[in-house]
Amino acid sequence: EVKLVESGGGLVQPGGSLRLSCAASGFTFSNSWMSWVRQAPGKGLEWVANIKQDGSYTNYVDSVKGRFTISRDNTKNSLYLQMNSPRAEDTAIYYCVKGGGSFDCWGQGTLVTVSS
Amino acid sequence: DIHMTQSPSSLSASVGDRVTITCRASQNIINNLLWYQQKPGKAPRLLISVASNLQSGLPSRFSGSGSGTDFTLTLSSLQREDFATYYCQQNYSIPRTFGQGTKLEIK
Repeated sequence: EVKLVESGGGLVQPGGSLRLSCAASGFTFSNSWMSWVRQAPGKGLEWVANIKQDGSYTNYVDSVKGRFTISRDNTKNSLYLQMNSPRAEDTAIYYCVKGGGSFDCWGQGTLVTVSS
Repeated sequence: DIHMTQSPSSLSASVGDRVTITCRASQNIINNLLWYQQKPGKAPRLLISVASNLQSGLPSRFSGSGSGTDFTLTLSSLQREDFATYYCQQNYSIPRTFGQGTKLEIK
């Protein structure tokens, strides 16, 4: 069974930093593109970033470029999202997702609240 | 960026009804279109890929069609468990973008 479990969410001050993690199991993690997708409270879905199988290629939505960094550790079957200088508008549930463009498995999400 | 527009934004229907949700892309995305279902408090679930390919194990009452800029998701006979929010998404280019969602409610 494919399983994705996010952790690391919580309350962070604007301008602070937070690192989200995702533990993957049930599939060959090193063979899969991975992504982060977020959902602000009561709003729709927004793709944030993706990363190639070997970590050599990444893409970001413009609103997080230069502030967020997606990375992975294939030896630990883990995906990460380093969030630097978060803003109030980054408040959302962050989902770890299998796939780079076709999102066929989602974690349960971790809530990030950016507030002072 | 490719903008995805769904209609309607909300829809009331009854069990047994046939409903259609449309999704329009701001440019030609060929067939690089996916549909997701999301229930309250849950993560989205992939229903359909490549515009019309139903994911394994899902009921055949879900179907997708379309190409280019115009796509549809059809639920042929609504069941109680189908009441949810549905999103389309393009994976033709970066950034990946979603429609705003269609909330399907019980009449």
